[in-house]
Amino acid sequence: AQKITQTQPGMFVQEKEAVTLDCTYDTSDPSYGLFWYKQPSSGEMIFLIYQGSYDQQNATEGRYSLNFQKARKSANLVISASQLGDSAMYFCAMRALRNQGGKLIFGQGTELSVKP
Amino acid sequence: DVKVTQSSRYLVKRTGEKVFLECVQDMDHENMFWYRQDPGLGLRLIYFSYDVKMKEKGDIPEGYSVSREKKERFSLILESASTNQTSMYLCASSPTTTGRDEQFFGPGTRLTVL
Repeated sequence: AQKITQTQPGMFVQEKEAVTLDCTYDTSDPSYGLFWYKQPSSGEMIFLIYQGSYDQQNATEGRYSLNFQKARKSANLVISASQLGDSAMYFCAMRALRNQGGKLIFGQGTELSVKP
Repeated sequence: DVKVTQSSRYLVKRTGEKVFLECVQDMDHENMFWYRQDPGLGLRLIYFSYDVKMKEKGDIPEGYSVSREKKERFSLILESASTNQTSMYLCASSPTTTGRDEQFFGPGTRLTVL
């Protein structure tokens, strides 16, 4: 069975500093993808970044990067130079790439608060 | 832009009522999903569909059913609403079953069952 664990229910960070949101996963599938989504207070889910299990390099998208450590089964999200608009819930998710229907398994989420 | 719309942002229903939550996507995606979101539990998959008239149970299908008569529309049905179905419901769609294609989400429906 697949499982995603986010152990930080809430995090605080000072504006302009970097922050790391933790995500560990468990799967027996050799081929999988890892996703991070942001959910502001308005409720919509915004896709941030993707990492494939066979990707050689860690994914980066602007201020977002993914610290992927396959042997440790972790896929932590790093946000550099935090902004007030980064305050939101953040979800880590996983999909086995051979899975029919492409369904995602989500973690419990981490609420990030950016302080001015 | 991909657009996923849901029929209501907020909904209040009585115990025992039949409730329909509608979701429409405009990007010709094959796959559609219904999740419920509860604090501390993240998003949990209720049902998904990878083709018209096809449906698959997710992790928590009890008390729910779905309908997909047209490719762009995926409906979630609560046959007899109960208070433990008070939650945020999120619909999503995606164009393919493999690879890095992300799911696109609707704005969510916050359902309260009294």
